[in-house]
Order: sequence, then structure tokens, then C-alpha cells
Amino acid sequence: AQKITQTQPGMFVQEKEAVTLDCTYDTSDQSYGLFWYKQPSSGEMIFLIYQGSYDEQNATEGRYSLNFQKARKSANLVISASQLGDSAMYFCAMWSTDKLIFGTGTRLQVFP
Amino acid sequence: GAGVSQTPSNKVTEKGKYVELRCDPISGHTALYWYRQSLGQGPEFLIYFQGTGAADDSGLPNDRFFAVRPEGSVSTLKIQRTERGDSAVYLCASSLVASGPLGAYNEQFFGPGTRLTVL
Repeated sequence: AQKITQTQPGMFVQEKEAVTLDCTYDTSDQSYGLFWYKQPSSGEMIFLIYQGSYDEQNATEGRYSLNFQKARKSANLVISASQLGDSAMYFCAMWSTDKLIFGTGTRLQVFP
Repeated sequence: GAGVSQTPSNKVTEKGKYVELRCDPISGHTALYWYRQSLGQGPEFLIYFQGTGAADDSGLPNDRFFAVRPEGSVSTLKIQRTERGDSAVYLCASSLVASGPLGAYNEQFFGPGTRLTVL
């Protein structure tokens, strides 16, 4: 069965520091995609970054990078230079056979 | 607006009642998805449409849940005989198509959700 595991229910980071949010996945599919979404308290799901299973290089989008380790089945999100506005829930998700499967999320709190 | 819209934003109902939740996808998007997000959890897939037909309804929890998309644009999620356990945020998302070439992902754009509370 396909599954996403996020083991950190909450994380704290000081403004301007980097933080890593962990994500591991389980799938028997050969082709899949991995995502990170941000969900602020307002509730909308904001797409951050995507990594395809065949992509050889780690994805980066501005301050976000995805540390993809295929053999370990991990897809950790790294946020560099944290900002107060980064405080939110973060969800790792896997796309396979036309639907997204989400983890339980990590609540990130950035303090001054 | 250009994004996915959902109505109502909030719905409070009594146990046993029938509710309908509406999703209006981005114009031109042929794929439409419904997810349910319970408190403290990640979104959980319910059903997706490619055009007018339900391509995968494996996430619907039981036969009290049903969804339609009769003209391939707006979709309605229908819940019969609501139970307190149905209380959640129901999210809708759309994408250009469900899969691109070789099954490649097409980005899903999410709506703001409908918060359903069953008393």
C-alpha cells in the first residue's frame, strides 16, 4: 500500500535559520511524484515543490529544496532562511495513479 | 476569479440531514478531485473525475457519499444521512488533465474548502 509518513508533529525554528521537515514514503510503483504543500491557518493548500521519481537532481524552488533519497524512500523539505510567514502546517504528499496521498503533516513555528 | 471556488465556505447541519457541497474548477480543467481533511490530519482522497465520469471513487467511505459532475465542469459532493464523524473540511482540486504524457503529474490547484459541521 502507498503511504506517506511524517514523524514530526511540530517543529520550531528561529527566524533566518534553516529547517528540515522529514518525509518518508512507501510505494511499489516505479513512477511517482513527491510534493510538499503549505497550509496556513486560513486553510488553503499552497503548492511548494515537486520531485519526480526519475528526476536525477533534487528539486529547488527559491528558499525550498527537496532532499530526495530514493533508496531510503525519503523526501525531506529544507527551508532556508526561515521567515515568520513560514509558520504553517506542511504536508508531504505522493502522487500515483492520478491521486495525491498525504501525510499527517508537520506544524512549523518560526520565532523571532 | 481564476481559481477553484467552493460553496458554501461553512455548513452546519444536524445528524441525519442531507448536504450538498459544490466545487467550481478552474476553467478548462478536465480533472476534478475531492478530498476530506479531518481535524489534525492530512487531506484524504475521496473521488476524482476526468470529464463527466468518475475515474476513481475508491476513497468514498460508504454509500452515503456520492459525487456528480454532469457537464464536466462544476461538481457536487452529496452526503446523505450525515453523521458526526462526517465533520471535516472538504477540499476540491482541479488540474488540466489527470495525467500527462507517460503518466506525468499535472499540478492540482486547490480550492479554499468547505467546513462541514454535523451536530
